[in-house]
Amino acid sequence: NFMLTQPHSVSESPGKTVTISCTGSSGSIAINYVQWYQQRPGSAPATVIYEDNQRPSGVPDRFSGSIDSSSNSASLTISGLKTEDEADYYCQSFDSSNHWVFGGGTKLTVL
Amino acid sequence: EVQLVESGGGLIQPGGSLRLSCAASGFTVSSNYMSWVRQAPGKGLEWVSVIYTGGSTYYADSVKGRFTISRDNSKNTLYLQMNSLRAEDTAVYYCARRNSGSYDWGQGTLVTVSS
Repeated sequence: NFMLTQPHSVSESPGKTVTISCTGSSGSIAINYVQWYQQRPGSAPATVIYEDNQRPSGVPDRFSGSIDSSSNSASLTISGLKTEDEADYYCQSFDSSNHWVFGGGTKLTVL
Repeated sequence: EVQLVESGGGLIQPGGSLRLSCAASGFTVSSNYMSWVRQAPGKGLEWVSVIYTGGSTYYADSVKGRFTISRDNSKNTLYLQMNSLRAEDTAVYYCARRNSGSYDWGQGTLVTVSS
């Protein structure tokens, strides 16, 4: 079964840049699009990156996504960190049956 | 403005049934790829089911044979019929719509399965 692995937590200071990784278990992560969702405490998820590197309208360009085929991983990079970016972040892609697969989530602390 | 409003959650005994609704506005449910995703308390996101525009439906192994996704075009509403509920089905259930590659999410409805 295809799985996505994320670090449990990352932390960084305001104004800095942080990168969250999402590694595929098998096959090429580049075959299917990767999405990233932000979930603040007590709130529903919200899309911050879709189709590997696209931002929905309203998401600041401080958020960017990329794919690295050599490490079979996707990354979410947030630059100019703000305290409001503190949240859980989930990567999501699809398995061979086109079923959604989520990473376990990464808690971002901005301190 | 696009809105997804889930309802129908609540406390239900193991073995019971519940039907969740996701009322949509600002777009047509039948013309969109729609999914249900759940989140157990303190846990991560878990995909539950999807319905394609053509009507094809798919389910996670954990709910296959017990849950049914459907839509009512006249009410512009997505449903999730949940039967034979188990304690491990306790979660907030979100509906999501694919929107030109991105995804819109509802606010969720809590289902608690407990005796």
